[in-house]
Amino acid sequence: QQQVKQSPQSLIVQKGGISIINCAYENTAFDYFPWYQQFPGKGPALLIAIRPDVSEKKEGRFTISFNKSAKQFSLHIMDSQPGDSATYFCAANQGSSNTGKLIFGQGTTLQVKP
Amino acid sequence: NAGVTQTPKFRILKIGQSMTLQCTQDMNHNYMYWYRQDPGMGLKLIYYSVGAGITDKGEVPNGYNVSRSTTEDFPLRLELAAPSQTSVYFCASSTTSRTGELFFGEGSRLTVL
Repeated sequence: QQQVKQSPQSLIVQKGGISIINCAYENTAFDYFPWYQQFPGKGPALLIAIRPDVSEKKEGRFTISFNKSAKQFSLHIMDSQPGDSATYFCAANQGSSNTGKLIFGQGTTLQVKP
Repeated sequence: NAGVTQTPKFRILKIGQSMTLQCTQDMNHNYMYWYRQDPGMGLKLIYYSVGAGITDKGEVPNGYNVSRSTTEDFPLRLELAAPSQTSVYFCASSTTSRTGELFFGEGSRLTVL
């Protein structure tokens, strides 16, 4: 029940295309869903996040769509650029645990071809 | 502003050796975490701390120990290294438990041969 399942494991998109990464969770106590971006040799960095009372959040070319009833959320990268090539992780936090622990998905390696 | 600093960046250990991965943060964050990252497995929580003097096990604590004597430092100790501990280790910190905004270090790549 603590798992977050992420797909696909890898993704190749042409420059200018839309990249879509999906995640699903089981624990309805999760109340904060961040996405992290990781470049090779670096630590993950927070990209964008959403709470379950919102169905969509957009920041620039990055959009999170959230479906509370289906317990699914997804990251959309519009107009994908070669600089977006990285590994993306979805995650979930249960704020009521007062620990700040994040449960991460398995990661998606995105390659954007020029 | 250094953020979260991990040392060493790379280390090769022999089976049965022990070592400590160092982590320090200069943001005065109460919450600190150790994760390990393996290909295709995402990041798994090893140990975490909600403040100085308080630590607790995460998802994969076996073979590791931690201490938190100060707010700044959160070292991870590997006892009797095994090949299964070959991984990239990330330390992270946060100012709050209510969100998922963790600040990560650049990682320590450990190989056990």
